[in-house]
Amino acid sequence: GDSVTQKEGLVTLTEGLPVMLNCTYQTIYSNAFLFWYVHYLNESPRLLLKSSTDNKRTEHQGFHATLHKSSSSFHLQKSSAQLSDSALYYCALSDRAGNTGKLIFGLGTTLQVQP
Amino acid sequence: EAAVTQSPRNKVTVTGGNVTLSCRQTNSHNYMYWYRQDTGHGLRLIHYSYGAGNLQIGDVPDGYKATRTTQEDFFLLLELASPSQTSLYFCASSDAVGGSAETLYFGSGTRLTVL
Repeated sequence: GDSVTQKEGLVTLTEGLPVMLNCTYQTIYSNAFLFWYVHYLNESPRLLLKSSTDNKRTEHQGFHATLHKSSSSFHLQKSSAQLSDSALYYCALSDRAGNTGKLIFGLGTTLQVQP
Repeated sequence: EAAVTQSPRNKVTVTGGNVTLSCRQTNSHNYMYWYRQDTGHGLRLIHYSYGAGNLQIGDVPDGYKATRTTQEDFFLLLELASPSQTSLYFCASSDAVGGSAETLYFGSGTRLTVL
């Protein structure tokens, strides 16, 4: 079945360094729709960015990601980490193959940005 | 912006207790979801619904019931609560089209503790 893998459970960075959070996925459906959600402490998880277009860079709030269907990847990047970026980040895949209306979430990556 | 309201914000009960978590969305979204969030497990789907009177089983349904009474209201029921159900619960809604999940809008969460 469809799945999403986020290999890093915790990423710790110094402020100002670049951010890269990895996300790979598996699906039999050619029209994959990928999402990044961010969950700040004591807030609701919310959409950060999404894409279904192969090789097109999607940007929002300083973050960007490019869907690469050839490698089944949708890595989240930012050029310079800020303390306020500390949060839990989820990669997710729309279950279009199953036509269920579900999102399939990875286990999440906690980003800790230190001064 | 989509509005999803959960109640209560916090709940403490004892083992064997009866708990109902409530969720209301005011954006006429067709899909509603109940997730639990636990460290190391990410967001796990308990139950979801694509309309009033409809219920779909999620990935971790054991010990939970759910009911969608109206387009707006979705309830999660724990009839015999156990300590393993101590968790942070999120409700979400989505304007999924043709069974394909689009952006999820999350509520603020209910923290449940089962003693």
